[in-house]
Amino acid sequence: SQQGEEDPQALSIQEGENATMNCSYKTSINNLQWYRQNSGRGLVHLILIRSNEREKHSGRLRVTLDTSKKSSSLLITASRAADTASYFCATVVSGNTGKLIFGQGTTLQVKP
Amino acid sequence: GAGVSQSPRYKVAKRGQDVALRCDPISGHVSLFWYQQALGQGPEFLTYFQNEAQLDKSGLPSDRFFAERPEGSVSTLKIQRTQQEDSAVYLCASSLGWNSGNTIYFGEGSWLTVV
Repeated sequence: SQQGEEDPQALSIQEGENATMNCSYKTSINNLQWYRQNSGRGLVHLILIRSNEREKHSGRLRVTLDTSKKSSSLLITASRAADTASYFCATVVSGNTGKLIFGQGTTLQVKP
Repeated sequence: GAGVSQSPRYKVAKRGQDVALRCDPISGHVSLFWYQQALGQGPEFLTYFQNEAQLDKSGLPSDRFFAERPEGSVSTLKIQRTQQEDSAVYLCASSLGWNSGNTIYFGEGSWLTVV
């Protein structure tokens, strides 16, 4: 079963705007990862944030993690039409062998 | 190869038919995972290998599902007597090792449609 929920389920914005997606999870984690999936394609790893980190940046991506609230957010700044995809958060539960547990995903549409 | 390779990319099976899905992980990757992704959903864990050892098969939905990795590299996911509810994308992923900080790389998936 899924680890948690993502919010919103769908997001539509104009090119150049920022997009924020949220993820909540249920159990203690080792790390949290964000993945992107274009329609009909596999998952592409975007960023990993460890449980002892609060914020991480990679290019136009900014990820925050609040372990007290069991939540994370992914911010994409200055969005482009090519950012249109589904975005998934996935957690590695503490103590396990690296198995990822995924949320339901947020579908992002960036209109040119 | 450069990435995780899966075959076939697309498979249409008649209900009751057996199917076999192949995964070639990134060379040298110890850990290998199989996931099932239904349309519009997030991937769900099926099973995990460390080298040739299947350490976790808690996600396999029924005894019709079987996975193996006999030499610790290529893996095969077999589904016997396929049912319509088995229609999904089957994703294979690999990583360097059991350390949970390692990035997990996914293949493009095998799209299974059971008719």
